[in-house]
Amino acid sequence: KAGVTQTPRYLIKTRGQQVTLSCSPISGHRSVSWYQQTPGQGLQFLFEYFSETQRNKGNFPGRFSGRQFSNSRSEMNVSTLELGDSALYLCASSLRTSGQETQYFGPGTRLLVL
Amino acid sequence: KNQVEQSPQSLIILEGKNCTLQCNYTVSPFSNLRWYKQDTGRGPVSLTIMTFSENTKSNGRYTATLDADTKQSSLHITASQLSDSASYICVVSAGYSGGGADGLTFGKGTHLIIQP
Repeated sequence: KAGVTQTPRYLIKTRGQQVTLSCSPISGHRSVSWYQQTPGQGLQFLFEYFSETQRNKGNFPGRFSGRQFSNSRSEMNVSTLELGDSALYLCASSLRTSGQETQYFGPGTRLLVL
Repeated sequence: KNQVEQSPQSLIILEGKNCTLQCNYTVSPFSNLRWYKQDTGRGPVSLTIMTFSENTKSNGRYTATLDADTKQSSLHITASQLSDSASYICVVSAGYSGGGADGLTFGKGTHLIIQP
């Protein structure tokens, strides 16, 4: 079974631009979560989607948004990029949103904002 | 506030040696605790998951322990190999109803380097 895939793997943007990241979950997984990982803060939860609905949201500004499609693929959008948005963005999929399920992470998208 | 503290932040050991990584948490109510391994440039991969009633779980050369009374967990790596060089992240899940990914609290990880 193919794992979680994320595209693109690397991205360089400048301040003020916007960016869209994509995540394809493991086949059959309906829950997709997004995380931001930085050396200083570790992994921080952005949001979680299940069956095209946002189920949970972390403490990030409204510039961070996402959506999930009927095939469970998910996209994350960051508008008006800031230097502090430079990070590794990870997506994880699981069968459901119980919190008890093992999450399977993708390789991440490394975003650099100049 | 739910917190997960890991120690040490970084560790360097020689190949073949054993090591132990620590995780202390203040997550309540507790549901389960996971250890993940994250290789450089890759996403985390689950090593073990432990619930309240389990105090030891092994996965090959990795053995995790859990003391729910003191809210501490450790990950012991036996006979380390170069491929063990990675970050090890402790993740604790809160057991409140409807809990999803927002109920997960992540530690900042221990960066382990195995030297030949």
